[in-house]
Amino acid sequence: QSVLTQPPSASGTPGQRVTISCSGSSSNIGSNYVYWYQQVPGTSPKLVIYNNGQRPSGVPDRFSGARSGTSASLAISGLQSEDEADYYCAAWDDSLNGFWIFGGGTRLTVL
Amino acid sequence: QVQLQQWGAGLLKPSETLSLKCAVYGVSFSDYFWGWVRQPPGKGLEWIGEITRTRGTNYNPSLKSRVTISEDTSKNQFSLYLDSVTAADAAVYFCAARRASGTKRYPIQHWGQGTLVAVS
Repeated sequence: QSVLTQPPSASGTPGQRVTISCSGSSSNIGSNYVYWYQQVPGTSPKLVIYNNGQRPSGVPDRFSGARSGTSASLAISGLQSEDEADYYCAAWDDSLNGFWIFGGGTRLTVL
Repeated sequence: QVQLQQWGAGLLKPSETLSLKCAVYGVSFSDYFWGWVRQPPGKGLEWIGEITRTRGTNYNPSLKSRVTISEDTSKNQFSLYLDSVTAADAAVYFCAARRASGTKRYPIQHWGQGTLVAVS
């Protein structure tokens, strides 16, 4: 099962800006929106970015997203301790009959 | 506000069929697509499949031969069945929902609490 490629870990100190990358292909990120989920271990995922760079209501504007070609990124500025979590990118893949595909996840540690 | 409450057997033997149910509260059943996502211990998310507005189903190609997702609109519930489980199917299983639309593709935005399924 192919997945979107993310770095396994990222870290930063409070107040810093961190960026998490997500690499895909023409059948997923290259032709469809990218979404980002935040998951605190032991809880259900929470959508923090939709349509490449839009924030759902209630998500701080410290979170931003971008897409370029077959890659995407999530940036978190003004890092806070409560941002420590696993982050997953996701996209629809047009191959076969179409299906949702997730990245392998990035564990963000706030030092 | 969409609320999802899921339940089902948490311990299976190899070759048995996994069976989970999810009840929907707070929204019209016909306004959403209903699906399942799983997460093996310490690993990432994997989409299993969903039942769509036209009441068809769409499954992950890697699981398609063993998965069935069905719904009971009279009870506002939907179900997941996974045949012939092995240790590789051990995971937390989440029921999930995304808005239905004829022209836009919405992301999964609502999740159940998760059910840990072990295979031993």
